Amino acid sequence: GAGVSQSPSNKVTEKGKDVELRCDPISGHTALYWYRQSLGQGLEFLIYFQGNSAPDKSGLPSDRFSAERTGGSVSTLTIQRTQQEDSAVYLCASSFQGARSYNEQFFGPGTRLTVL
Amino acid sequence: AQKVTQAQTEISVVEKEDVTLDCVYETRDTTYYLFWYKQPPSGELVFLIRRNSFDEQNEISGRYSWNFQKSTSSFNFTITASQVVDSAVYFCALSASFYSGGYQKVTFGIGTKLQVIP
Repeated sequence: GAGVSQSPSNKVTEKGKDVELRCDPISGHTALYWYRQSLGQGLEFLIYFQGNSAPDKSGLPSDRFSAERTGGSVSTLTIQRTQQEDSAVYLCASSFQGARSYNEQFFGPGTRLTVL
Repeated sequence: AQKVTQAQTEISVVEKEDVTLDCVYETRDTTYYLFWYKQPPSGELVFLIRRNSFDEQNEISGRYSWNFQKSTSSFNFTITASQVVDSAVYFCALSASFYSGGYQKVTFGIGTKLQVIP
């Protein structure tokens, strides 16, 4: 398919372990976003990529969270030393940004992270 | 600063009733975009509509319609003759537009959970 894909779809981990979440954006989309959605809550912005650089990391909750993007495509969100409060659905979105873009974001299905 | 307020956290209606989801926004930018997304129980957000701040014309798409009023900074969403399949969480979002190619941050409201009862 041509949509945004995320893997894994579900991840259960033990407190203190590191996890990596992957996002494959829509081909040609230059912008990529990570959000976190806790149970029954709205979308919490984490980080934005334009190409491979991240001009806005203001939403990352702590230094345990980091993200990178390579080749202007795939992005990985890493959470080190996971805590129970990290349990949430992590959503990735991509959009095309250009002079005439309307920047609607297309979302992936999310990764449900459960920290025991 | 950008802010999106969806004051209705949960709404329940009986099938075939009309329902309006409210969205009020704040921005200092004169050029911006407004969006509505639907998140069904399956979880994946689906883009519904985009609106440019220069275009206040209301839009209708089937049973969906949107009322954009700059005077009240509102972008309300109405579902006519609601159906069970409309049950979902609906998010309103705002994006300031920087045509220089700069960052276009999108701010989401907390969402309104709509339950359509058969």
